[in-house]
Amino acid sequence: AQTVTQSQPEMSVQEAETVTLSCTYDTSENNYYLFWYKQPPSRQMILVIRQEAYKQQNATENRFSVNFQKAAKSFSLKISDSQLGDTAMYFCAFFTSGTYKYIFGTGTRLKVLA
Amino acid sequence: GAVVSQHPSRVICKSGTSVKIECRSLDFQATTMFWYRQFPKQSLMLMATSNEGSKATYEQGVEKDKFLINHASLTLSTLTVTSAHPEDSSFYICSATFQQGITEAFFGQGTRLTVV
Repeated sequence: AQTVTQSQPEMSVQEAETVTLSCTYDTSENNYYLFWYKQPPSRQMILVIRQEAYKQQNATENRFSVNFQKAAKSFSLKISDSQLGDTAMYFCAFFTSGTYKYIFGTGTRLKVLA
Repeated sequence: GAVVSQHPSRVICKSGTSVKIECRSLDFQATTMFWYRQFPKQSLMLMATSNEGSKATYEQGVEKDKFLINHASLTLSTLTVTSAHPEDSSFYICSATFQQGITEAFFGQGTRLTVV
């Protein structure tokens, strides 16, 4: 069974600083997709970044980047130049066409401090 | 980006009644929609996966007679909570994916259900 683990329930970071959120997963599949979703207080889920497992290059999206270590089954999210609007719950998610399901981690609550 | 609209955003109903939640993909065809339940400060728990024109696939432990899911068209899926009880109070979220595409899931705004 696939599992996604986020070991940091809560984190805080000063505005303009950099923070890294951890995510590990377990799967026997070779072809899959990984995502980071943001859930602000409005509770609308917003895609932050995605990574295809077959791509070796780490995905980047403006201030957001990932460190994808396939062998270690690790998928961390780095947020640079943190902004107050980054305050939210962040979920790591795994998807494979084998099960056609998105499996979510337990989330990391990030607070950006002014 | 693709837009998924979920309605209503909030609903209060009496115990024993039924309530329907709609999930619409506004600008794309979604052959697959997912329904999640989210408890306070917790993750999203997948309840069921619905494919247009076929019966929904429910996750283990989810009562299919209580949580009726219908996916009658490529743009609409509904979740009906039947004979609601206070323990059904929760935040329900739908998401949808593109037809024949493995892409990110697009989420509705969620529905806060309170059963009194």
